[in-house]
Amino acid sequence: EVVMTQSPATLSVSPGERVTLSCRASQSVTTNLAWYQQKPGQAPRLLMYGAFTRATGIPARFSGSGSGTEFTLTISRLQSEDFGIYFCLQYNNWWTFGQGTKVEI
Amino acid sequence: QVQLVQSGSELKKPGASVKVSCKASGYTFISFGLTWVRQAPGQGLEWMGWINTNTGKPTYAKGFTGRFVFSLDTSVSTAYLQINSLKPEDTAVYYCVREMATINDLWGQGSLVTVSS
Repeated sequence: EVVMTQSPATLSVSPGERVTLSCRASQSVTTNLAWYQQKPGQAPRLLMYGAFTRATGIPARFSGSGSGTEFTLTISRLQSEDFGIYFCLQYNNWWTFGQGTKVEI
Repeated sequence: QVQLVQSGSELKKPGASVKVSCKASGYTFISFGLTWVRQAPGQGLEWMGWINTNTGKPTYAKGFTGRFVFSLDTSVSTAYLQINSLKPEDTAVYYCVREMATINDLWGQGSLVTVSS
């Protein structure tokens, strides 16, 4: 089983800041990596797939990078609506989610 | 409108069964696989498995074999998740997802199942 580890667990930030979230895989998942955002009481929303391809309607301030075992989601200038929990998901070997990073405004 | 609409909240006693539905609309149901994801209260997301909507073949993740059953009724474009012999630790929100992590990614609104005596 591929284990996904996200860091940090919680991030306290201010609007306008640049935010970097990390996700590490226990073995290579090539670029079969997605990022989701989830807000309280809502289903997760796909932000990124294929490690760096933005999903439909996702603003350009979100960007993804990495391959193999190390991945990053960057929010260039955080906006107030970006609070929530961010999950990474590998789909190279079945599917495994990371435990999430909570972004607090 | 392209959407997945799930059945409502359920309150069940330990040992009972529950069947959650996921109705697709706005697209050809059998063209996309459906995945089931569990989220326990305040916890992360767990992949439970998926069902091939074209063949009906289910695939279960480790930890979701035995008591969990995926099924379909293609005549009404609906997928089902049945959980038997419910335990308190099955308390969670269950999501159905079309083609997770692809350009066709689409989530249902989630169905809360509460197991309590």
